[in-house]
Amino acid sequence: DAKTTQPPSMDCAEGRAANLPCNHSTISGNEYVYWYRQIHSQGPQYIIHGLKNNETNEMASLIITEDRKSSTLILPHATLRDTAVYYCIVRVANYGGSQGNLIFGKGTKLSVKP
Amino acid sequence: EADIYQTPRYLVIGTGKKITLECSQTMGHDKMYWYQQDPGMELHLIHYSYGVNSTEKGDLSSESTVSRIRTEHFPLTLESARPSHTSQYLCASSEWETQYFGPGTRLLVL
Repeated sequence: DAKTTQPPSMDCAEGRAANLPCNHSTISGNEYVYWYRQIHSQGPQYIIHGLKNNETNEMASLIITEDRKSSTLILPHATLRDTAVYYCIVRVANYGGSQGNLIFGKGTKLSVKP
Repeated sequence: EADIYQTPRYLVIGTGKKITLECSQTMGHDKMYWYQQDPGMELHLIHYSYGVNSTEKGDLSSESTVSRIRTEHFPLTLESARPSHTSQYLCASSEWETQYFGPGTRLLVL
């Protein structure tokens, strides 16, 4: 799986948009971009994923650059409960064998401040 | 909301004891996973299963063992606990690409 690079930490004011960047310059054409978050050592929670088109759900938006070498997760109106470690992961959508497994890096610790 | 459960949530045990961490899911997912995570560090995959009677070792070497006799259960066993096994153990399951995680078991071996 391609490696990802994320800033170790970010701050965001409550009510403002949080924009979390991720670089994945060696991503392959069949690899998806996934975002998970982990709130204070709870189990990670799935947020969103995409291949090349921008995606939006009730939690967040995912913007993937045209060359797919980077992406940004957007939390449109951050709340204190969004304080967590956010993981950007790229992986092949392969349901057999270890290629389908997630590889978690260190992620970005997002602190939402009042 | 995912239905995946882990017991116990916290466990303090002495060196040399045999322990089993339970993980169960009610979603009928074929794929299940165990991760190990030290405080403030990244998750490491230690075991996974693609279905009944299927188990594989993950990226991080672990002295634990797993079994998958039923779809719903994926227990992890340490035959002889050591202080180096102190960590948080997270179980997950998936049907397609999205993994759903349990709340984790915090293990302290004295």
